[in-house]
Amino acid sequence: AQSVTQLGSHVSVSEGALVLLRCNYSSSVPPYLFWYVQYPNQGLQLLLKYTSAATLVKGINGFEAEFKKSETSFHLTKPSAHMSDAAEYFCAVTNSFGNEKLTFGTGTRLTIIP
Amino acid sequence: EAQVTQNPRYLITVTGKKLTVTCSQNMNHEYMSWYRQDPGLGLRQIYYSMNVEVTDKGDVPEGYKVSRKEKRNFPLILESPSPNQTSLYFCASSSLRPPGETQYFGPGTRLLVL
Repeated sequence: AQSVTQLGSHVSVSEGALVLLRCNYSSSVPPYLFWYVQYPNQGLQLLLKYTSAATLVKGINGFEAEFKKSETSFHLTKPSAHMSDAAEYFCAVTNSFGNEKLTFGTGTRLTIIP
Repeated sequence: EAQVTQNPRYLITVTGKKLTVTCSQNMNHEYMSWYRQDPGLGLRQIYYSMNVEVTDKGDVPEGYKVSRKEKRNFPLILESPSPNQTSLYFCASSSLRPPGETQYFGPGTRLLVL
């Protein structure tokens, strides 16, 4: 069984401030982890993913995430928020044995304050 | 251009009137999946398919049917829609090897059942 918990359904940060979106996972086997972004009225787009290579993963638009097995976390960060980062962000988990069932968290809506 | 397409994008229907939402991908992916997105619940998997003629239930399959007669197409069928199936639906596809491949999402179908 696998699950994802995203702490904070809404996060607001000022433009230029650090963005931190939290994701904790539960998985009985080694996980693969993903962050997706959804802009208004659009589908989901992959930001970055962890598939057991480097634990610090860099993605598009300046985002990165660090896989911490001891904390079962995969938090998403960006050093300096931009207005265009306003969107909903989803963390998701699957497992490394080829089962492509992807389990999503409930999402975090990020608001950027000018 | 690699893409997942869904039709229709918007649909208003009445309770009990059968409908089909089509999904097609042009990336020769083995894996396809349907999700529904509801506020506060994130994305939940309805059905998935690992290849032609191979389908399986996801987390919320009740009231839905799927078929996979061709590799590129994965239609979602609501035989007798009910108001609780009002939602935003996404189709996704990915290759199965290596494990952890990115899932590509369609633009979504917004369904209202009256």
